[in-house]
Amino acid sequence: GAGVSQSPSNKVTEKGKDVELRCDPISGHTALYWYRQRLGQGLEFLIYFQGNSAPDKSGLPSDRFSAERTGESVSTLTIQRTQQEDSAVYLCASRRGHSYEQYFGPGTRLTVT
Amino acid sequence: RKEVEQDPGPFNVPEGATVAFNCTYSNSASQSFFWYRQDCRKEPKLLMSVYSSGNEDGRFTAQLNRASQYISLLIRDSKLSDSATYLCVVNRQSGYSTLTFGKGTMLLVSP
Repeated sequence: GAGVSQSPSNKVTEKGKDVELRCDPISGHTALYWYRQRLGQGLEFLIYFQGNSAPDKSGLPSDRFSAERTGESVSTLTIQRTQQEDSAVYLCASRRGHSYEQYFGPGTRLTVT
Repeated sequence: RKEVEQDPGPFNVPEGATVAFNCTYSNSASQSFFWYRQDCRKEPKLLMSVYSSGNEDGRFTAQLNRASQYISLLIRDSKLSDSATYLCVVNRQSGYSTLTFGKGTMLLVSP
């Protein structure tokens, strides 16, 4: 079946511009996560959505970062006024209700020049 | 102390070797533990869960030591295809909500 998809796969943007990254979770998965992975580093938790509950935003590094999710479908991660340190791979993952396993998308590689 | 700590490696081993990785975690309340695998420039994928009694999946064996708060992964008869980064993963709180990923241990298996 279809896995988690993310778009775009690659994004190059100029410092100061806004970017929007998209994640399509696996159908029926109620939980959705965004992570950031800088080159050679581990996964950094950003935000977590669970159904219609308020999202856990505790990992967002600054107010330039925001994310939305409509119901149990698509999510968008927006980074405003991008900085060079925002360059990373942004990974999205989804999970079924009563399971620990997170299924990851292929990621969006963001490069801020 | 970091929530999840791993030796970054790399571990360089020949084909057929046995190799073991350890991971320590700081939150004694953690209940669930996993090993994920991440190939170069790819997304992480679940390798196996880690159960209190220890568990085995083919050439892979996972162990949990709650008293010392560490988890181990043993790979027997290494294959070239085992070359990857192995991520130790621990749940941050009760329930299914959030997982904390270690930075990973890189394994390189050579012919």
